[in-house]
Amino acid sequence: GDSVTQMEGPVTLSEEAFLTINCTYTATGYPSLFWYVQYPGEGLQLLLKATKADDKGSNKGFEATYRKETTSFHLEKGSVQVSDSAVYFCALSGSNYKLTFGKGTLLTVNP
Amino acid sequence: DVKVTQSSRYLVKRTGEKVFLECVQDMDHENMFWYRQDPGLGLRLIYFSYDVKMKEKGDIPEGYSVSREKKERFSLILESASTNQTSMYLCASRTGTGYSNQPQHFGDGTRLSIL
Repeated sequence: GDSVTQMEGPVTLSEEAFLTINCTYTATGYPSLFWYVQYPGEGLQLLLKATKADDKGSNKGFEATYRKETTSFHLEKGSVQVSDSAVYFCALSGSNYKLTFGKGTLLTVNP
Repeated sequence: DVKVTQSSRYLVKRTGEKVFLECVQDMDHENMFWYRQDPGLGLRLIYFSYDVKMKEKGDIPEGYSVSREKKERFSLILESASTNQTSMYLCASRTGTGYSNQPQHFGDGTRLSIL
């Protein structure tokens, strides 16, 4: 079945540091890929998406590229802010109704 | 913007009670979902619905039921609440039928405590 593996946290960075959160997936067919963000005490918000190979999703300075050859969708940001502190989830939408999530990565950004 | 509204942010109930969690979406989405989120276990799908009065079991349906009488509303029911159902519950909705590249949109969650 479908699965998503993302790097375990927690990740702690200083403000303005570069961020990478790795995400790899296993799926049949051609899934769509998503990154969601969850701020403390809130639900999940869609951060970005990519629906086919080589697509780059981007939003709020975050980027991720759908790499079919490496089955990866790594999240990157060039300069993180304290307000980016949250839990980040990689997810895929495969051949059925389900959204399959990774376990989440807690990011803490210190001033 | 899509708005998914869950009726309560925090809820405290007693063991054995019948508990209703309500979710409403305002974008005429066909599909609605209920998840629970627990530390170390991530998000797990409880039930989903792809149309009015239609429902499908997710990965962990035991102890739960659902109701979808109107397109915009999807209710999760804990028939007889137990302490192991203490969790964060998240509702989501999505447009499209079957496989879709559209994202799911989430509510703010209900943190449910069963005492």
